[in-house]
Amino acid sequence: DQQVKQNSPSLSVQEGRISILNCDYTNSMFDYFLWYKKYPAEGPTFLISISSIKDKNEDGRFTVFLNKSAKHLSLHIVPSQPGDSAVYFCAAVSGNTPLVFGKGTRLSVIA
Amino acid sequence: GAGVSQSPRYKVAKRGQDVALRCDPISGHVSLFWYQQALGQGPEFLTYFQNEAQLDKSGLPSDRFFAERPEGSVSTLKIQRTQQEDSAVYLCASGPSGRGIQETQYFGPGTRLLVL
Repeated sequence: DQQVKQNSPSLSVQEGRISILNCDYTNSMFDYFLWYKKYPAEGPTFLISISSIKDKNEDGRFTVFLNKSAKHLSLHIVPSQPGDSAVYFCAAVSGNTPLVFGKGTRLSVIA
Repeated sequence: GAGVSQSPRYKVAKRGQDVALRCDPISGHVSLFWYQQALGQGPEFLTYFQNEAQLDKSGLPSDRFFAERPEGSVSTLKIQRTQQEDSAVYLCASGPSGRGIQETQYFGPGTRLLVL
C-alpha cells in the first residue's frame, strides 16, 4: 500500500509557464515533506522541504504548499525553464522513520 | 568538493552470484543511507548508518542483503545469491550531521544491478 502517491507519471509545460506537481499521502503521522529532483544517470538532489507546522515554503522559483486536511502537497515552479526537465520525487517522513518516496513525476519543459 | 560516489556504476550478475556494491560518502559525513530503486518506482529505504553503527536495517528485504561501514566512512552493500528480483538501482546517500532521517541527504549516482 503506497503511503506517498504521485498520480501523474508525466507532465509537459511550456517554458515560462507554471509547473504544478502534486503529491498525496495517506499516513497522518508524516510531519516533514521533501521534494527531490533527479536527472538521468544521476542521484536525486534535494530541492525543497516543508514541515507539517507550515502550509507554504518558498525558495526562489520553487514553492511547496501543504494542505494537511487533504493530505496533499504540491510543488510550484514559476517560471519553468528547460533545465527543470527532470523526474521529481515527493518524500515524507515521520519522526525518525525512513523516508518514504512516491514514484515520481517526469516534468518536461518545452522551449 | 567531491560528492557521493558509488562503484561499480553498472553490474551484471548471473542468478546465484554474490555482488558487492561500494559507496564513498562525502568526507566527514556522519549519516549513510542505502536505497533500492526498482524500475518506475521511487527509492525504497534499505538501511541507515550513523558513523560505523547500523541504526536501522528494517528495509533490507531478506537475509541475503548485508551492509557494513566498518570505519564509519566507506560502506559496502553485499547481496548474496542474487535473484532476478534484485535487479534495481542501488542508491547511497550521506548526511553531514547524523541527525538522522530529517537532515538533507546527498545522493550518489547509483549502481544499476541487472541479474540474469
